[in-house]
Amino acid sequence: QLQLQESGPGLVRPSETLPLICTVSGASINTSPYYWGWIRQSPEKGLEWIGVIYYSGDAYYSPSLKSRVIISLDTSKNQFSLKLNSMTAADTAVYYCARGSKQQGVDNGFDFWGQGTMVTVSS
Amino acid sequence: EIVMTQSPATLSVSPGERATLSCRADQSISSNLAWYQQKPGQAPRLLIYGASTRATGIPARFSGSGSGTEFTLTISSLQSEDFAVYYCQQYNTWRTFGPGTKVDVK
Repeated sequence: QLQLQESGPGLVRPSETLPLICTVSGASINTSPYYWGWIRQSPEKGLEWIGVIYYSGDAYYSPSLKSRVIISLDTSKNQFSLKLNSMTAADTAVYYCARGSKQQGVDNGFDFWGQGTMVTVSS
Repeated sequence: EIVMTQSPATLSVSPGERATLSCRADQSISSNLAWYQQKPGQAPRLLIYGASTRATGIPARFSGSGSGTEFTLTISSLQSEDFAVYYCQQYNTWRTFGPGTKVDVK
């Protein structure tokens, strides 16, 4: 059974970088046709897509966050990670990792999600 | 960025009744749309992708329709476990979510 688990600091200081890791069990992250994504949710902004990385290592980011985000794969640990720099209070949210798939050019959405991890930005 | 809107914001329905939720994109997204259900304290759950294809394990009472800019999620006969918030998400250009429709008990 596929499982995704987010891990990282629950509290980040303003201007610092948020590092989050998603550990995947039950599937290999470098297998076609899957991609792996980060989504966050706050009362103010609702669900917000941050970015995705494909099994090939190609990453795509939300235009509004692109200048501050890096998503990468660690195939040796079967993990993928998020780094979001220059954090502000507006980045306070629950952060989810999720899996999607794209088969024969057809995207099937995010079908497996982690439970989410709350991140607060405060001094 | 493609902007998604959903209506109504809240839908009050009695168990056993039909619920119809709407989602609109501000530009054409073909059939590149998914629907998710979210209950308090839980991650979203994929219901529908490709505007009308049910995800694995999703009951037949959930159906999706539409293409272009107008989409609908229909729950044919609401069960107690269906009271939740429903989000649409486009993946035609990057990905954006709608603000959600809360389905509560009438």
